[in-house]
Amino acid sequence: GAGVSQSPSNKVTEKGKDVELRCDPISGHTALYWYRQSLGQGLEFLIYFQGNSAPDKSGLPSDRFSAERTGGSVSTLTIQRTQQEDSAVYLCASRTGTRASYNEQFFGPGTRLTVL
Amino acid sequence: GENVEQHPSTLSVQEGDSAVIKCTYSDSASNYFPWYKQELGKRPQLIIDIRSNVGEKKDQRIAVTLNKTAKHFSLHITETQPEDSAVYFCAATPYNFNKFYFGSGTKLNVKP
Repeated sequence: GAGVSQSPSNKVTEKGKDVELRCDPISGHTALYWYRQSLGQGLEFLIYFQGNSAPDKSGLPSDRFSAERTGGSVSTLTIQRTQQEDSAVYLCASRTGTRASYNEQFFGPGTRLTVL
Repeated sequence: GENVEQHPSTLSVQEGDSAVIKCTYSDSASNYFPWYKQELGKRPQLIIDIRSNVGEKKDQRIAVTLNKTAKHFSLHITETQPEDSAVYFCAATPYNFNKFYFGSGTKLNVKP
């Protein structure tokens, strides 16, 4: 079946503009994660959605970052008033199962964001 | 929160040799430890994982060991091949999987 997809694959924007990044998880996956990967670095957790529960936003670096997940499926990460330090690859991942079930995370291809 | 440290940052081995990558974690609540392989320009993919109630797990040339007391876990690749060249990430997550904490990555280069 189809894997996790993300769009756009690349986004170049000017400092101060808002951007929206989209993630389509694998159908039926209740858990969805957003990560940020700066060049040559590890993955930094941003936000976690699990079913209809309130999201865990503890990883969002500032109030310029927000995310939503509509209908328990598609998710959008929004960055307002982008800064150059926001330049990174933004990865989305989804997994099936409830909490405490040891199921694999599947990653999307990422969106490479460049803020000029 | 959890802090995962990974060493070394780069590792170069000759084809056929073994490679070992080590990670430490700080939160005793972490109980699941996956390892991911990320080839250049591609998405991370799970290669092996281990739960906290297991000390070792092996899958062909890849093995992972976990020492809960010392809070460290390691990835072992035997008989390395050029196609093993990639960046490897360790991660840790607590029982409810609400977040995964990743190490900073190890760039493995297998020389033919």
